[in-house]
Amino acid sequence: KQEVTQIPAALSVPEGENLVLNCSFTDSAIYNLQWFRQDPGKGLTSLLLIQSSQREQTSGRLNASLDKSSGRSTLYIAASQPGDSATYLCAGIGNQFYFGTGTSLTVIP
Amino acid sequence: KAGVTQTPRYLIKTRGQQVTLSCSPISGHRSVSWYQQTPGQGLQFLFEYFSETQRNKGNFPGRFSGRQFSNSRSEMNVSTLELGDSALYLCASSLERTGGDEQYFGPGTRLTVT
Repeated sequence: KQEVTQIPAALSVPEGENLVLNCSFTDSAIYNLQWFRQDPGKGLTSLLLIQSSQREQTSGRLNASLDKSSGRSTLYIAASQPGDSATYLCAGIGNQFYFGTGTSLTVIP
Repeated sequence: KAGVTQTPRYLIKTRGQQVTLSCSPISGHRSVSWYQQTPGQGLQFLFEYFSETQRNKGNFPGRFSGRQFSNSRSEMNVSTLELGDSALYLCASSLERTGGDEQYFGPGTRLTVT
């Protein structure tokens, strides 16, 4: 059974810091990985999709990498802003989406 | 282009009742997936529909069912509600297949069972 773990579970940083969120999965039989953010009480917003043929994707201040051999993905957020405060979820994609439990990020002004 | 819409947004039901939730995918998307999100279990996959056929199913009891219509709109039904069914139910759509294409989520339906 696929298990997806996200570390840390919660993170609080001052505005402007660069930070890294980690995601690990137990079964390498995933072919894509997607990162989402979720604001309280809301649905999920897609941030980045890394397909199996890719090793990383970038969008603005966000960069996500995928290493299937080690079962890990990281999301790098540069120059964090208070608006980045949210829960970040990674999902390993096999025959369905397997979600991690999320990292709750707070960026302090 | 309009995003994924879900109705209703909030729902309060009593134990033993049944409930139907609706999801309209992004125009042109043929795959719709449903998820249950609770504080204790996180996001769990319920099922996926593609071209009116259930393509994949998670590990939920038979009280949870769904269907998809020819216009790709989808409904999920929960019968004989239990307190533990209280959750945020999210649907997501993608172009063709879960995993191959980026998935877009709706705002969710918050179900409270009393």
